[in-house]
Amino acid sequence: GEDVEQSLFLSVREGDSSVINCTYTDSSSTYLYWYKQEPGAGLQLLTYIFSNMDMKQDQRLTVLLNKKDKHLSLRIADTQTGDSAIYFCAEIDPLDTGRRALTFGSGTRLQVQP
Amino acid sequence: DAGVIQSPRHEVTEMGQEVTLRCKPISGHDYLFWYRQTMMRGLELLIYFNNNVPIDDSGMPEDRFSAKMPNASFSTLKIQPSEPRDSAVYFCASSPELGTGNYEQYFGPGTRLTVT
Repeated sequence: GEDVEQSLFLSVREGDSSVINCTYTDSSSTYLYWYKQEPGAGLQLLTYIFSNMDMKQDQRLTVLLNKKDKHLSLRIADTQTGDSAIYFCAEIDPLDTGRRALTFGSGTRLQVQP
Repeated sequence: DAGVIQSPRHEVTEMGQEVTLRCKPISGHDYLFWYRQTMMRGLELLIYFNNNVPIDDSGMPEDRFSAKMPNASFSTLKIQPSEPRDSAVYFCASSPELGTGNYEQYFGPGTRLTVT
């Protein structure tokens, strides 16, 4: 079955870049997502990448995908205090499994120090 | 669009009571999901619907949990009787049949349930 793993905590200083990492086991994962959860709030979809891509950039966010190592990363440039949140990696493979539900990692808590 | 709407936002109830959580998906979305978030188990799928029909309920913990979707704009998740171990944040999410080519899901703000 699918398994998605993330490190639990990351602390950076304001203005630095943050890199949040994720590994997954399902080699046929088709779509990979990053969600952000602020305290007391729902999950906000940040960005996604298809498995046939290596990189995707969206303003301050850069997603890198290494299919060989089954490794996904989210880089946040010029990290701000408002970026402090929990970041979830998630995957889905509806074409292979027929299943539309996301499998989530445990989340990485990003703390941005002023 | 207002996004996915959930009610109530907070619910505190005593063990043994019935709890009903409500969700209104984004208009036009064909898929509706119920997830549960706890410290111990993280985010896990409970059930999802396509065009109001339950497709996968393998995550529903036990017979105390039931979910319905009587129409395209409303779903309920019911727990009867509730137990302290049901305390969690329950999220509803919806997804379009054909989005931008991926399968993005949009989440509601969640219902924080506390069973004492």
